[in-house]
Amino acid sequence: GENVEQHPSTLSVQEGDSAVIKCTYSDSASNYFPWYKQELGKRPQLIIDIRSNVGEKKDQRIAVTLNKTAKHFSLHITETQPEDSAVYFCAASHTGNQFYFGTGTSLTVIP
Amino acid sequence: DAGVIQSPRHEVTEMGQEVTLRCKPISGHNSLFWYRQTMMRGLELLIYFNNNVPIDDSGMPEDRFSAKMPNASFSTLKIQPSEPRDSAVYFCASSPGLAREEDTQYFGPGTRLTVL
Repeated sequence: GENVEQHPSTLSVQEGDSAVIKCTYSDSASNYFPWYKQELGKRPQLIIDIRSNVGEKKDQRIAVTLNKTAKHFSLHITETQPEDSAVYFCAASHTGNQFYFGTGTSLTVIP
Repeated sequence: DAGVIQSPRHEVTEMGQEVTLRCKPISGHNSLFWYRQTMMRGLELLIYFNNNVPIDDSGMPEDRFSAKMPNASFSTLKIQPSEPRDSAVYFCASSPGLAREEDTQYFGPGTRLTVL
């Protein structure tokens, strides 16, 4: 089955700096890669996703890049703000099948 | 749309008791997922359904856990008997599913279960 690894497990950045979280996957059939943000005590919420026919996708301060050859994808958050502090999960799936989640990255943005 | 609805939001019970968690997926979604989240093990998929049929239950920890989806708008996760190690947050998620080639999962608010 699919195996998703996520790094780093914790990340601290100064407000205004950029944050990058990286994930690798093992199954070349995976074609959908969502990112979820989970604030303390809340549900995971989708913040951005990318499909395998696209190399990069951007939504305001967040962007995701995908390298199918190397089987890795990354989340980039620019101009970080304290409200970006949360746990971020990556996932990989093959259309219609289950998600394989990474182990999460706890991001702290220091004011 | 109200989103995925779960009940109860919090459950405190004693070891050995039966626990039933409930989920109402987003209307029109064909796939439903049950997850368990703990600090130690992260987010684990327990079971998922497609068109009310269980597709993969390999994540169900043991026979004490069972899940049903009697219709497209309701699912239950039952633990009988419950044990302290079952204490966790249980999330239900739904997605439009294969039929629409859309697989984004939307999570419910979760049920925080504490087994004493």
